[in-house]
Amino acid sequence: QSVLTQPPSASGTPGQRVTISCSGSSSNIGTNTVNWYQQLPGTAPKVLIYDNNQRPSGVPDRFSGSKSGTSASLAISGLQSEDEADYYCATWDDSLNGQVFGTGTKVTVL
Amino acid sequence: QVQLQESGPGLVKPSETLSLTCTVSGGSIDTYYWNWIRQSPGRGLEWIGYIYYSGSTTYNPSLKSRITISVDTSKNQFSLRLSSVTSADTAVYYCARGQGVVVQFSFMDVWGQGTTVTVSS
Repeated sequence: QSVLTQPPSASGTPGQRVTISCSGSSSNIGTNTVNWYQQLPGTAPKVLIYDNNQRPSGVPDRFSGSKSGTSASLAISGLQSEDEADYYCATWDDSLNGQVFGTGTKVTVL
Repeated sequence: QVQLQESGPGLVKPSETLSLTCTVSGGSIDTYYWNWIRQSPGRGLEWIGYIYYSGSTTYNPSLKSRITISVDTSKNQFSLRLSSVTSADTAVYYCARGQGVVVQFSFMDVWGQGTTVTVSS
């Protein structure tokens, strides 16, 4: 049972904007930075956003992250077919003293 | 370019100990947090624990009694041992490098490709 809640699915047509939410609490998102990982089918996760809103080099600026209070969001603008993947938020939880992942959101490009 | 590679048995019998090693190539194991994460079939990601290059560890509380993570800096490797396994431990196991000044603000920037471990008699 994850302490970070995400919608199980999200979808959009090519070019649309899709937003994924990640809901936590004061002991995790409310205190620590949030990271987002993309997992393409059959592959290992890859960091997409770190420190709430920072993109590693090579990640398109179509991906953006934000955090407010105990929630965070990942936005994908200009959705492309290659964005079909599972997306996970993650952060540190001070109460559990460990890393926690969100429940994951499967993005489908219609 | 740092790369991580998991290795170990793909099949473990119930009640036995699962042992995996992650080899770090293209860079030093010094500094960073070195993590183990797993993903059960059709399920999400579960953090198992990490070891700092100095040897200090932090484990997932739900697995803590069964886990040991160790590091061998001379071989640029770190390892996972999970005891008393059951079918619930069947998963793809990933190792990953944690980057950040402190663990609360860290993220996993390099991942291994993952290795599938099945628990079955």
